[in-house]
Amino acid sequence: GQQVMQIPQYQHVQEGEDFTTYCNSSTTLSNIQWYKQRPGGHPVFLIQLVKSGEVKKQKRLTFQFGEAKKNSSLHITATQTTDVGTYFCAEPNTGNQFYFGTGTSLTVIP
Amino acid sequence: GAGVSQSPSNKVTEKGKDVELRCDPISGHTALYWYRQSLGQGLEFLIYFQGNSAPDKSGLPSDRFSAERTGGSVSTLTIQRTQQEDSAVYLCASSDLLASVQFFGPGTRLTVL
Repeated sequence: GQQVMQIPQYQHVQEGEDFTTYCNSSTTLSNIQWYKQRPGGHPVFLIQLVKSGEVKKQKRLTFQFGEAKKNSSLHITATQTTDVGTYFCAEPNTGNQFYFGTGTSLTVIP
Repeated sequence: GAGVSQSPSNKVTEKGKDVELRCDPISGHTALYWYRQSLGQGLEFLIYFQGNSAPDKSGLPSDRFSAERTGGSVSTLTIQRTQQEDSAVYLCASSDLLASVQFFGPGTRLTVL
């Protein structure tokens, strides 16, 4: 099935370092969502971006939607061990359906 | 209110047996999704229900997989003649038509021996 490309696939950082994951689509998107899945858990919605060039912040997390609405990024400043998990972007297909990215697995080393 | 629930939480079965996985979506959510997640992998879309419309079955990997949604609420995913490669976590999610944010259940971990 269709999958959205995310890079990197894995990222190991020392606690306190920054982290960024990128999501790229071949098509112009109407919107994009980000989810976080803790180890052993299920995906939990973080945010939805709709506007070209949009930037949203949630505490240490910064989400960006590209000007051309074909890419998005999630940046975490000063990572903490609670940030561990896999981060997925999701892009709409038809109707209300979304396709999830391949995910970026973040490990934070204390 | 209650979130999305799934049952069973774990299912171990023998190769060749049929299994049924259940999903109870959030009350009032018109959209329901099934995904499969193999260990350490992303989410593989399986099927999507929206209200009374015909489901989008484009993600079902083979004709051994089927799903139904009764009364626009509870959904059952059935896997016939299970194979070892069917072993995965099966996730269900529901969403409100307008919001489109997906709320996931805890998943069913299926192990086929």
